[in-house]
Amino acid sequence: DIQMTQSPSSVSASVGDRVTITCRASRDISTFLAWYQQRPGTAPKLLIYAASNLQSGVPSRFSGSGSGTDFTLTISSLQPDDFATYYCQQANSFPAHFGGGTKVEIK
Amino acid sequence: EVQLVEAGGGLVQPGGSLRLSCAASGFTFSRYEMNWVRQAPGKGLEWVSYISSSGDTIYYADSVKGRSTISRDNAKNSLFLQMNSLRAEDTAVYYCARSYPVVSRIFDHWGQGTVVTVSS
Repeated sequence: DIQMTQSPSSVSASVGDRVTITCRASRDISTFLAWYQQRPGTAPKLLIYAASNLQSGVPSRFSGSGSGTDFTLTISSLQPDDFATYYCQQANSFPAHFGGGTKVEIK
Repeated sequence: EVQLVEAGGGLVQPGGSLRLSCAASGFTFSRYEMNWVRQAPGKGLEWVSYISSSGDTIYYADSVKGRSTISRDNAKNSLFLQMNSLRAEDTAVYYCARSYPVVSRIFDHWGQGTVVTVSS
């Protein structure tokens, strides 16, 4: 199995801040990585696929980068709607493990 | 608009069974691979099971293997998860999730979830 490790587990930030979340895979997954956003009480939403491709309808302030084992999700200017939990997920093979999540909280 | 609506959750005793269902609409269900993903209270996401568009390829997480069966009825645009020998650790919100067309292990649409509680 390919395990995913996210950091930090939580981050406090203000509106307008730049936020970076990292994700590490236990072995090379090329660019088979997705990022999801989950607001409290709602289902996850796909933000980015193939490490850096923005899903349709997702604001351009979200971006993803990386390949191999190390990946990054960046929110360039945090907006009120962005306070949520973010998960990375390896899409290289089943079981499709998720990272532990990063909660972005209001500072 | 893609819609996935889960049903069938509830309170069940340890050792009991439940059959979850997911009604799909707004897309050609028979062309898409489908999954179940769960989330225990206050915890992260856990992929549970996958089924190919025709139903001939199936995968399970080790945590449910041997106790759960995924299936689909393409004529009725429905996905199912039969869960047996339920344990307390199966308590979670269960989401139906559609696979992204190009990469089956990415989930581009999710239902709202159905809650399964395993407790005596």
